[in-house]
Amino acid sequence: DGGITQSPKYLFRKEGQNVTLSCEQNLNHDAMYWYRQDPGQGLRLIYYSQIVNDFQKGDIAEGYSVSREKKESFPLTVTSAQKNPTAFYLCASTLTGRGQPQHFGDGTRLSIL
Amino acid sequence: QQQVKQSPQSLIVQKGGISIINCAYENTAFDYFPWYQQFPGKGPALLIAIRPDVSEKKEGRFTISFNKSAKQFSLHIMDSQPGDSATYFCAASPGGSRLTFGEGTQLTVNP
Repeated sequence: DGGITQSPKYLFRKEGQNVTLSCEQNLNHDAMYWYRQDPGQGLRLIYYSQIVNDFQKGDIAEGYSVSREKKESFPLTVTSAQKNPTAFYLCASTLTGRGQPQHFGDGTRLSIL
Repeated sequence: QQQVKQSPQSLIVQKGGISIINCAYENTAFDYFPWYQQFPGKGPALLIAIRPDVSEKKEGRFTISFNKSAKQFSLHIMDSQPGDSATYFCAASPGGSRLTFGEGTQLTVNP
């Protein structure tokens, strides 16, 4: 079955620690996205990538970093510079072109220890 | 200019009733307007989407109404069922690229 796999489902971060969230897709989609979801604030775009080895900052990129070395994979690192990392993180992918729907994974919930 | 405003924040409807969620936008470059449904602990799933060249699109019990001059669009859920209880997000994008999401509406359908 084609889809987007996010792991782990739950993650805990200690003070001063960097953590990496995994996102893998087997839909052969070109573009991939990372969103942060907080209660009552909808989804906010962190980073996105439309092609391998290229990515752009979204609206709330500070304290986060990404890489796109393979088409299938778009890992997100939450660095120690992100002072309020507790949130639900969602990865999405889509084909490029007008009106292509974004498909989402089932998210990773990150909490501070 | 990039914001999408969604209302209400929460909605309670009786089974069989009509659920209506509204969204408004400012950016006239937006030309793709999807609605997503999200259950707790899951990622959002595309429900229905519309382009500004049509005023209404219907898929089963779900209808999007679009008013280009007012820069507003809405989701109507007819014959609402308890299984429709979820969070609904409207979104918009220019040319199908990055989406801007509304704040979400938590819908509860009472049996």
